[in-house]
Amino acid sequence: NAGVMQNPRHLVRRRGQEARLRCSPMKGHSHVYWYRQLPEEGLKFMVYLQKENIIDESGMPKERFSAEFPKEGPSILRIQQVVRGDSAAYFCAGGANTGELFFGEGSRLTVL
Amino acid sequence: AQSVTQLGSHVSVSEGALVLLRCNYSSSVPPYLFWYVQYPNQGLQLLLKYTTGATLVKGINGFEAEFKKSETSFHLTKPSAHMSDAAEYFCAVSEGETSYDKVIFGPGTSLSVIP
Repeated sequence: NAGVMQNPRHLVRRRGQEARLRCSPMKGHSHVYWYRQLPEEGLKFMVYLQKENIIDESGMPKERFSAEFPKEGPSILRIQQVVRGDSAAYFCAGGANTGELFFGEGSRLTVL
Repeated sequence: AQSVTQLGSHVSVSEGALVLLRCNYSSSVPPYLFWYVQYPNQGLQLLLKYTTGATLVKGINGFEAEFKKSETSFHLTKPSAHMSDAAEYFCAVSEGETSYDKVIFGPGTSLSVIP
């Protein structure tokens, strides 16, 4: 959905560097979801946030990964000390009160 | 916890033939159910959803799905496949008592349409 903005669309990092992925949901959507999609696999839930609050982070790896959704500005998914296994497409979605998710076009992370 | 299974990771149909993509779910409460479609290098977009009420749900592009509680299924169908239907299809479930809740996706089914 063109209304959900993700950037960068493509990001290349070397092992050990940090990756920051940004997501701005559609106006009026105060909830953000992050999913990870590996090649030939489905979407794996990572984290669900509302403004200034993490609601469910049961899908986030315990180390190196963090997410925030500040009162002002986009939601950010941060991956520290990236490894090759972090290479994937990361999708953000905004939530509506109908339960429907509105997805961005994804950020594709490649770790060299 | 809720979960979703999709039988068949790859499905091929001839153009004009029936499309049937299978989805089964598990949920401890009445679920919200969804089908999403993903075209190459794009995000997902909603095809249709079931929340409450009529169990046969019609969506965009001629797709429909039927919620069968006794079978815990939500299979997606389309009477006549078109070349433009070739894509990845994801079934999803939410236990959204408050309409905002974690949405869990199935592994996806890749649909190929043969001319």
